[in-house]
Amino acid sequence: DAKTTQPTSMDCAEGRAANLPCNHSTISGNEYVYWYRQIHSQGPQYIIHGLKNNETNEMASLIITEDRKSSTLILPHATLRDTAVYYCIVRVRETSGSRLTFGEGTQLTVNP
Amino acid sequence: GAGVSQSPSNKVTEKGKDVELRCDPISGHTALYWYRQRLGQGLEFLIYFQGNSAPDKSGLPSDRFSAERTGESVSTLTIQRTQQEDSAVYLCASSPRDRGGNTEAFFGQGTRLTVV
Repeated sequence: DAKTTQPTSMDCAEGRAANLPCNHSTISGNEYVYWYRQIHSQGPQYIIHGLKNNETNEMASLIITEDRKSSTLILPHATLRDTAVYYCIVRVRETSGSRLTFGEGTQLTVNP
Repeated sequence: GAGVSQSPSNKVTEKGKDVELRCDPISGHTALYWYRQRLGQGLEFLIYFQGNSAPDKSGLPSDRFSAERTGESVSTLTIQRTQQEDSAVYLCASSPRDRGGNTEAFFGQGTRLTVV
């Protein structure tokens, strides 16, 4: 799986949009971008994934650059409960399945 | 059950003892993952099961670690002759599979292992 690079930490004001960047310059054509988060003392939680088109769900939006070498996870209106470590993962998605490898992630702190 | 269930939630063991950690995946999920997370650190991949295929054991740190899974059901992670550096939260996850391959993984709450 391709390596990802994320900032170690970020801060965001409550109610504002949180934009979390991720670089994956060695991503292959058959690798998807996945985002998970881990709130303190809990298991990781799936957020969203995409291949090349921008994606949106009830939790977040995922913007992938045209060359697919980077992406941004957007939490449109961050709340205190969004404080967590956010992991960006690139992963082959194939019928035989593949392992899910986590990096160091970004510690997002939402401030009141 | 509704989610991935792990037991026990907490385990304290003496150095040198063997321990077994259990994971009950979501029914119907073909893939199952084990991870280790030491205090203040990221998730370390241990092993991955996918249906009846040979498991990916490339993350197991030593031969003291082993895992089994019967079909697409329960999995057991065994640590023999535990050491203090084995102290961590052990997380299990499962995911379904569609025509495009594995989708998102659902994690349990983990087993906190303390070796004293």
